[in-house]
Amino acid sequence: RKEVEQDPGPFNVPEGATVAFNCTYSNSASQSFFWYRQDCRKEPKLLMSVYSSGNEDGRFTAQLNRASQYISLLIRDSKLSDSATYLCVVTTPSSSASKIIFGSGTRLSIRP
Amino acid sequence: EPEVTQTPSHQVTQMGQEVILRCVPISNHLYFYWYRQILGQKVEFLVSFYNNEISEKSEIFDDQFSVERPDGSNFTLKIRSTKLEDSAMYFCASSERDRTYGYTFGSGTRLTVV
Repeated sequence: RKEVEQDPGPFNVPEGATVAFNCTYSNSASQSFFWYRQDCRKEPKLLMSVYSSGNEDGRFTAQLNRASQYISLLIRDSKLSDSATYLCVVTTPSSSASKIIFGSGTRLSIRP
Repeated sequence: EPEVTQTPSHQVTQMGQEVILRCVPISNHLYFYWYRQILGQKVEFLVSFYNNEISEKSEIFDDQFSVERPDGSNFTLKIRSTKLEDSAMYFCASSERDRTYGYTFGSGTRLTVV
């Protein structure tokens, strides 16, 4: 099983739609969870951290399910500018620092 | 907004040559990282650096690679003898604290080995 697994997509949805991505992780000791977005040939940019209680930032909602070892990202009222690859990032404790693992990303394309 | 700065943005080098990729992390950040992304593939962790030493490295980070923080502001990645398969986008990142906080990435150096 991959350490961090994401549906690669692409998800192709109309503007205004709601779209959700899941990401599963294999190490139950994982401690921190993030969603990043990456535009084509650009650096990853932090979208939001994911907290145990779930958290929301505008149109974006992130949730963590430790029992099932997955995190999710929900985008409401999607905009054309939301088109990007969404990366799930998980950190796990290691010998002296965190091990940081990226998922392969889920591509999202919003159509007018 | 504070930025992580990387130079050069694009480097072309011949196979077997040494390259040094440079990064200036955010000034109050204490943890520094290098990642790479081969075109069309996932972002891969190379190395993390804290308190002037490597704290974690991946299996990719072999003897060909080294990192330095020579002067308290720059953070460099050296590849001693480049191979074709080293062609990738190399991202530097920094964070204020490990684990709990997200990482700020630089805009990357595209390395092309010919």
